[in-house]
Amino acid sequence: EVVLTQSPGTLSLSPGESAALSCRASHSISGRYLAWYQQKPGQAPRLLIHGASTRATGVPDRFSGSGSGTDFILHITRLEPEDLAVYYCQQYSSSPFTFGPGTKVDVK
Amino acid sequence: EVQLVESGGGLVQPGRSLRLSCAASGFIFDDYAIHWVRQSPGKGLEWVAGISRRSLSVGYADFVRGRFTISRDNAKNSVYLEMKSLRAEDMALYYCAKGSYGDYAPALVDHWGQGTLVTVSS
Repeated sequence: EVVLTQSPGTLSLSPGESAALSCRASHSISGRYLAWYQQKPGQAPRLLIHGASTRATGVPDRFSGSGSGTDFILHITRLEPEDLAVYYCQQYSSSPFTFGPGTKVDVK
Repeated sequence: EVQLVESGGGLVQPGRSLRLSCAASGFIFDDYAIHWVRQSPGKGLEWVAGISRRSLSVGYADFVRGRFTISRDNAKNSVYLEMKSLRAEDMALYYCAKGSYGDYAPALVDHWGQGTLVTVSS
């Protein structure tokens, strides 16, 4: 099983700042099959990034993904109050298709 | 607009069964796999099961294999999750999610329902 570790656990930033969220895998993820999801309070997750770096439809270009192998990053620039959420990474390459524990982003 | 609406959750005693349903609309249903993903405070997000577009292949997480069964009815644009021998650790919000591919693997999901809550308690 591929175990995903996310850091930091919580990030507190001000509007306009940038964030870099880390997702590290216990084994190399083939095909760069790594996705990022955003979950706002009280809502279902929303797909942001797939294939490690491809933005999903309708996702602002403030969100970008990078990485390969075992190390991946979600970058968020020009933070807005609406970006307050928990961000999860997921590997969808090999079963069981695991998620990371999430990074909570606080925007104040 | 893609919509996935789950139903069937509720309070159930340990060892009993429950059947979840997911009604889909807004896309060509039999072109895509469908997955169930659950979320609990203690364990975060967990992929539970997936089914390919024509039901030719299914996959399960180890912790539900042999107890849960995923199925679909393309004529009704619906997916089901039959859950047996429920345990306290199965208590979670269960999401139905649309896969991005016809097969359940790779298990990328691009749309989620709002979830149905399963509570397992005596």
